Amino acid sequence: DVKVTQSSRYLVKRTGEKVFLECVQDMDHENMFWYRQDPGLGLRLIYFSYDVKMKEKGDIPEGYSVSREKKERFSLILESASTNQTSMYLCASSSRGGDRGTDTQYFGPGTRLTVL
Amino acid sequence: EDKVVQSPLSLVVHEGDTVTLNCSYEVTNFRSLLWYKQEKKAPTFLFMLTSSGIEKKSGRLSSILDKKELFSILNITATQTGDSAVYLCAATTSGSRLTFGEGTQLTVNP
Repeated sequence: DVKVTQSSRYLVKRTGEKVFLECVQDMDHENMFWYRQDPGLGLRLIYFSYDVKMKEKGDIPEGYSVSREKKERFSLILESASTNQTSMYLCASSSRGGDRGTDTQYFGPGTRLTVL
Repeated sequence: EDKVVQSPLSLVVHEGDTVTLNCSYEVTNFRSLLWYKQEKKAPTFLFMLTSSGIEKKSGRLSSILDKKELFSILNITATQTGDSAVYLCAATTSGSRLTFGEGTQLTVNP
């Protein structure tokens, strides 16, 4: 079974703090993704990574950065948290693309971040 | 801009009813259409559809894709309270990116 874990289920931070969200997958997947999920907006892609040290901007990268130093780990960083970054953050992983059978993304349990 | 639209956004039914959830998409370099179920936690994978007209089935759930009309439906027969969840539809484009719809909130009352 694919397992994707995230470092925290719930997190409360103050405006201006630096926030690290960590995601680890145990299936040797090449691709990893960070989304945020908000009511009425669905899941929106923040950043993704195809390989170690590689990253690509998604649809809403502003205010975020990422780090992928090891294949199994993908970190999302909020350099200076703001209240509009209060959201549910979901990490996902998948096998390398190019094959229709590998498009399935497997999700972690999510981190509900509140920025006060 | 890639777009996935789901309808209805919410649905309330009674146990035993049959429901049909809709998903239409407009994406460049379309490759596959995925359905997920999300309860109060991470989305869990249901189906991936790549070919038109071929139904995928798992128990009381089934789904079909129409690549000519750019839509997919998810059917749930004999609904149970455990089917209450948000159902997400997503389209894969090149580079393994998923574009998600807003989701359909299904509530099944006893």
